[in-house]
Amino acid sequence: KAGVTQTPRYLIKTRGQQVTLSCSPISGHRSVSWYQQTPGQGLQFLFEYFSETQRNKGNFPGRFSGRQFSNSRSEMNVSTLELGDSALYLCASSFGASGGALAKNIQYFGAGTRLSVL
Amino acid sequence: AQTVTQSQPEMSVQEAETVTLSCTYDTSESDYYLFWYKQPPSRQMILVIRQEAYKQQNATENRFSVNFQKAAKSFSLKISDSQLGDAAMYFCASYSGGGADGLTFGKGTHLIIQP
Repeated sequence: KAGVTQTPRYLIKTRGQQVTLSCSPISGHRSVSWYQQTPGQGLQFLFEYFSETQRNKGNFPGRFSGRQFSNSRSEMNVSTLELGDSALYLCASSFGASGGALAKNIQYFGAGTRLSVL
Repeated sequence: AQTVTQSQPEMSVQEAETVTLSCTYDTSESDYYLFWYKQPPSRQMILVIRQEAYKQQNATENRFSVNFQKAAKSFSLKISDSQLGDAAMYFCASYSGGGADGLTFGKGTHLIIQP
């Protein structure tokens, strides 16, 4: 079974631009969560999508948004990029969603998208 | 809110020896999971082992085992017979599923394997 796939692996953007990252979950998984990883802040939860609905959201500004499609694939968008948005963005998928049985919420990660903002 | 603390920024061990990585956590939830993830230079976050809070028996996966002390809120990872491929960042994480935090991660421990 294929793992979580994130595209692209690398992105270079300039301040003020916007960017869209993509995540395809493990087949059969319906929940997708996004995390930001930086040397200073570590790993921080961005948001979770399940059945095309945002279930939870972390403490990030509204410039960070996402969506999920009917095939469970998810996209994350960052508008008006800032230098501080440079990070590794990780996507994780699980069978179930928050609020359900924990055993179904084991998250498996993709290899991430490295975003550099110049 | 949950917090996870890893007090060892870096650990070094000789190949074939045993090493223990420390993790403490804090949560007000009664039902939760604890995890150890490994992140090698490839950046792929790999699930190493998981522990359900209501299970008293410590989880084991081949050379990896945990020491789960619920009352002390401690969750350490023991790696036996260390191999060069074990070199990576190791992250301890907690998850309760009901809150808005997703997985809560510690800052990580960089594990170096000396040949």
